[in-house]
Amino acid sequence: AQSVTQLDSQVPVFEEAPVELRCNYSSSVSVYLFWYVQYPNQGLQLLLKYLSGSTLVESINGFEAEFNKSQTSFHLRKPSVHISDTAEYFCAVSNPKLIFGAGTRLAVHP
Amino acid sequence: DTAVSQTPKYLVTQMGNDKSIKCEQNLGHDTMYWYKQDSKKFLKIMFSYNNKELIINETVPNRFSPKSPDKAHLNLHINSLELGDSAVYFCASSLGTGDNSPLHFGNGTRLTVT
Repeated sequence: AQSVTQLDSQVPVFEEAPVELRCNYSSSVSVYLFWYVQYPNQGLQLLLKYLSGSTLVESINGFEAEFNKSQTSFHLRKPSVHISDTAEYFCAVSNPKLIFGAGTRLAVHP
Repeated sequence: DTAVSQTPKYLVTQMGNDKSIKCEQNLGHDTMYWYKQDSKKFLKIMFSYNNKELIINETVPNRFSPKSPDKAHLNLHINSLELGDSAVYFCASSLGTGDNSPLHFGNGTRLTVT
């Protein structure tokens, strides 16, 4: 059975600082990996995905994630965060059913 | 031109009542889902329909009954509401049932049972 672990429930950070949100998964077969973002009082939105090919994937708003098969990780990073990045971030694994992690609350402070 | 819309946004009701949540998507997707998000933000799939046919039915009490009149709509009816049903319910859709199809979510329905 597959599972997703997001190691940090909350990550406080100051504006313009770098951030890493950690995600590890367990699966005996190949998987597809996703990061979703949930802003307050909204549904989840796809941030980025890894299906195949380059292990480094990027989003349009400066986030990137790297698929590391040997460490079964898919950590999300951003070199400089903004106040507007404050949200809940969910890592998800699919093969075939989509399983979500428990979420990481990113709180960006001025 | 909302992609996945669900109504109502808020629903406050008493224990024992029956209520429905409606969901519509205009993306032309074949697959629709209902997810439940609890107070700790944990997301769990409840049901999935592909072209009006049920394909995923997790261990959900049979008080919950999904209905898909066509592939653009997936409604959720809940009978005999209980306190533990209080949560945010999200509708979502995807292009196919393949595991590489990203989900598009609605903005959620916050159900409060008193």
